[in-house]
Amino acid sequence: ETGVTQSPTHLIKTRGQQVTLRCSSQSGHNTVSWYQQALGQGPQFIFQYYREEENGRGNFPPRFSGLQFPNYSSELNVNALELDDSALYLCASTKGLGSPSTDTQYFGPGTRLTVL
Amino acid sequence: GEDVEQSLFLSVREGDSSVINCTYTDSSSTYLYWYKQEPGAGLQLLTYIFSNMDMKQDQRLTVLLNKKDKHLSLRIADTQTGDSAIYFCAESPQTGANNLFFGTGTRLTVIP
Repeated sequence: ETGVTQSPTHLIKTRGQQVTLRCSSQSGHNTVSWYQQALGQGPQFIFQYYREEENGRGNFPPRFSGLQFPNYSSELNVNALELDDSALYLCASTKGLGSPSTDTQYFGPGTRLTVL
Repeated sequence: GEDVEQSLFLSVREGDSSVINCTYTDSSSTYLYWYKQEPGAGLQLLTYIFSNMDMKQDQRLTVLLNKKDKHLSLRIADTQTGDSAIYFCAESPQTGANNLFFGTGTRLTVIP
């Protein structure tokens, strides 16, 4: 186990609704990244938060937004849900922005979102 | 943009070696990674290689990098049934852990 936790484990929503997913980073980690993994695909980078500020964003529309709190936990918010938002949402934490030899990225188990 | 490609499936017999291949397009990649994903679980970092290296060995895992051909491979020696999982190749175009670009994954099935 990595020490990165996500909640909820599963979630079912309908089109147009809004959803909030949560991630608690590993102790001592100040950087959280969010990824979307559609069925049968590799994860796609959504955005990253470092010390409560957004620090990079992938090719996702503004209805995907996030927050990082002073304890470095994070939320992913998705507004106006679409069917294609159905996916596994993964968060990963690291203790900084350095090299993987010192700042290994640890992934949580993910939240499976289904949009009907 | 970055593109990472992998074959979708690989089956091997228990005890044989597995070789999972990956090609990527971004010549500025600084680090290349292999992750493992078991059913219902998140991604587990197996190993990584810096782009100025040709090979890295870590116990049963050997990573080979051909930077000229932008080809990365992961060899698993003495493959066990517990190695059955999806393996993802990923690249990072800069130092740091953000902006990882993943392939579509190779599903490895180990036959007892």
